Amino acid sequence: AQSVTQPDIHITVSEGASLELRCNYSYGATPYLFWYVQSPGQGLQLLLKYFSGDTLVQGIKGFEAEFKRSQSSFNLRKPSVHWSDAAEYFCAVGLIIQGAQKLVFGQGTRLTINP
Amino acid sequence: ETGVTQSPTHLIKTRGQQVTLRCSSQSGHNTVSWYQQALGQGPQFIFQYYREEENGRGNFPPRFSGLQFPNYSSELNVNALELDDSALYLCASTGGLIGLYGYTFGSGTRLTVV
Repeated sequence: AQSVTQPDIHITVSEGASLELRCNYSYGATPYLFWYVQSPGQGLQLLLKYFSGDTLVQGIKGFEAEFKRSQSSFNLRKPSVHWSDAAEYFCAVGLIIQGAQKLVFGQGTRLTINP
Repeated sequence: ETGVTQSPTHLIKTRGQQVTLRCSSQSGHNTVSWYQQALGQGPQFIFQYYREEENGRGNFPPRFSGLQFPNYSSELNVNALELDDSALYLCASTGGLIGLYGYTFGSGTRLTVV
């Protein structure tokens, strides 16, 4: 079955430090891949997406992600985090089933920023 | 352009009751999906509506049903509420059948079943 794994439930980094959030997926073909961010009490905001082409994609708020087919991974990175980046981050795979697209989400990684 | 709006923001229901949640899609979007997000979990796909027809469903029982209206707004109905239905319910919209440009999510409805 298709699945998305985010191995880190909770990560703490210092403000200004670099960040990498891991995401692995299980899917036969090249999937549509997404990263979303959720602040407390809010919905999900799209950070970036990958469908095809260049495997390094740029998103909003200074985030980027790299698709590695050989590792079935789509890790999210940011060179220098800000206190406002504290939130829950979700990786998702977009699957097309019977003409409908559904997003399969990982369980999320909660990011805490130390001042 | 307006985003996705959901109502109500919060509500509390008693086990066995029925509930209706509402969603207005982003302007220009004709596809609406509903997700259930339990505490500490990622969202799970309930179903999708395109041009007023349900065209995809996740692993949810029939007591979860929905509607999409000609203006592309949508409702999620849950009958015979159970305690495990307590969750954040998210509505997402996109243009076209396949969200190649990503989905816009609303802020959700927090449902508590007691």
